[in-house]
Amino acid sequence: DTGVSQDPRHKITKRGQNVTFRCDPISEHNRLYWYRQTLGQGPEFLTYFQNEAQLEKSRLLSDRFSAERPKGSFSTLEIQRTEQGDSAMYLCASSLGAGAETQYFGPGTRLLVL
Amino acid sequence: AQSVTQLGSHVSVSEGALVLLRCNYSSSVPPYLFWYVQYPNQGLQLLLKYTSAATLVKGINGFEAEFKKSETSFHLTKPSAHMRDAAEYFCAVSSFTGGGNKLTFGTGTQLKVEL
Repeated sequence: DTGVSQDPRHKITKRGQNVTFRCDPISEHNRLYWYRQTLGQGPEFLTYFQNEAQLEKSRLLSDRFSAERPKGSFSTLEIQRTEQGDSAMYLCASSLGAGAETQYFGPGTRLLVL
Repeated sequence: AQSVTQLGSHVSVSEGALVLLRCNYSSSVPPYLFWYVQYPNQGLQLLLKYTSAATLVKGINGFEAEFKKSETSFHLTKPSAHMRDAAEYFCAVSSFTGGGNKLTFGTGTQLKVEL
């Protein structure tokens, strides 16, 4: 069990650029979640995968955001045409889904949009 | 909709003193409740969770929390604070939608431990 990993850990980009983040969950975890955390706030749910199926998306996830989890393993979160308001920490969590299962969080990707 | 309120964005205690971090929840269904801790530049780590079994839940690092339905509270306590407990603490409630276990977090409480 190597834990949830995220790459990159930090990303600085200019407004209007596209960025992509990767999350590698704990092996054999079937559920994968993305959250966003802004300064002084708790994490907010963005989207959720059960295996390769994206089953729920938050209203926070505008059409500039897209997430995938091909083959039910790693996941990517892409933001197109970034805006300064996208600056935040993007957290990934995985779990072995059953009831109130524990979600294991990665270290996050901190995005700064200039 | 479910929500969590954490009273006190910053709490300061002396080393060895009691730690009390407050969390109140709102839920239309019996809730599952969680406390997570976040150290600087790290992800969130689960301290403990309530899943409708015992109302007093013991977690890691000497922390515990008591579920009180009448008060809609799930306060986190530790009898004696240590310097290594300085971190940010988040209370969360889960809602089951689409088969998943979406967490709704509070705004967090920054715990400072002083000598």
